[in-house]
Amino acid sequence: DAGVTQSPTHLIKTRGQHVTLRCSPISGHKSVSWYQQVLGQGPQFIFQYYEKEERGRGNFPDRFSARQFPNYSSELNVNALLLGDSALYLCASSLVSGFAQGNGYTFGSGTRLTVV
Amino acid sequence: QQQVKQSPQSLIVQKGGISIINCAYENTAFDYFPWYQQFPGKGPALLIAIRPDVSEKKEGRFTISFNKSAKQFSLHIMDSQPGDSATYFCAATGGGAGSYQLTFGKGTKLSVIP
Repeated sequence: DAGVTQSPTHLIKTRGQHVTLRCSPISGHKSVSWYQQVLGQGPQFIFQYYEKEERGRGNFPDRFSARQFPNYSSELNVNALLLGDSALYLCASSLVSGFAQGNGYTFGSGTRLTVV
Repeated sequence: QQQVKQSPQSLIVQKGGISIINCAYENTAFDYFPWYQQFPGKGPALLIAIRPDVSEKKEGRFTISFNKSAKQFSLHIMDSQPGDSATYFCAATGGGAGSYQLTFGKGTKLSVIP
């Protein structure tokens, strides 16, 4: 079975540009969460989507947006890139939202974004 | 505001030794405490998790100890192996509407030397 697939794996962008990151969840999983992991830090929650609805948003500016498609894949968009947006962006999928017994979250390998 | 504090930042352990990583949390509404293992170039992978109704959970060489009154929990890796060398993150979640997001510690880089 394929795990969580993220694309691209690496990306270099210039300050002020826009970027779109993509995530395909594990087959049958309906929830996708996005996390930002700055080098040397733990992941920070950005968004969660479940059944195409936004369930929650972390403490990130409006430059960050996301959506989930009918096939449960997801996109994370970041506008007006700043140097500080350089990070590993992780997508996690799960059957449903929340952390009830048996609902494990599986992370992808991430997209490494470098803003120059 | 860092809601989950993790220590130490780095840890070097001899092969066969015990690795101990500690975490403390502030939010008393947290009710699920997972530990993740992350290798370079990979996403975090769930290692073991505990809920506050038990004080200890063991899975193979990995044990979580949980102290609800002190708001602390720790990961013990018994018989540490070079293959355990990775970065370990504690995390926490819970509290009603906020239970969809994980709050992570800053991580502990573990090196197991032969």
